[in-house]
Amino acid sequence: TQLLEQSPQFLSIQEGENLTVYCNSSSVFSSLQWYRQEPGEGPVLLVTVVTGGEVKKLKRLTFQFGDARKDSSLHITAAQPGDTGLYLCAGVGTDSWGKLQFGAGTQVVVTP
Amino acid sequence: KAGVTQTPRYLIKTRGQQVTLSCSPISGHRSVSWYQQTPGQGLQFLFEYFSETQRNKGNFPGRFSGRQFSNSRSEMNVSTLELGDSALYLCASSTGLANYGYTFGSGTRLTVV
Repeated sequence: TQLLEQSPQFLSIQEGENLTVYCNSSSVFSSLQWYRQEPGEGPVLLVTVVTGGEVKKLKRLTFQFGDARKDSSLHITAAQPGDTGLYLCAGVGTDSWGKLQFGAGTQVVVTP
Repeated sequence: KAGVTQTPRYLIKTRGQQVTLSCSPISGHRSVSWYQQTPGQGLQFLFEYFSETQRNKGNFPGRFSGRQFSNSRSEMNVSTLELGDSALYLCASSTGLANYGYTFGSGTRLTVV
């Protein structure tokens, strides 16, 4: 089993501050995906990173895939209350069709 | 385009009963995956179907089973329900191509009493 460890588990910040969430593994993934989940709903895909060293930006969100394709980070600049949610990283194994290995998630709370 | 539809949204069952959950994927998507989400274990992979064939299976007991129909709709069945089966069951739809993103449904909240 390829385990993904997310840190921190919980983040509470003020509106306008920056935050970074980390996702680490000892295993190589063919790709890594980030999702955000609201209470009572399914996760919503934010981004997929495939190439080692890849950086993707989605408005105020920046995603990075490690050079060795074992880790990833999500950075949010100038967080807003609408960024509140559970952020999940999920890895696709090199030989795991259709299977996402999820991290435990990071609960982010942004207060006005 | 329509999203992933899961029915029912909520279910309450008694221990020992069985339950069937349904998932309709996005039109054109041939892959459907199922996940169990609990506060203690997070999101855990159950199984994945592509064009009616199970391609991958997680580490769940045989009481958990699934199938996919020719129109890509999928069902999962849990027999002999246990209290620990109480969870949010999520279905995810995808094209089935490697490294493609997944679209999740809103889930079915199953409570076993």
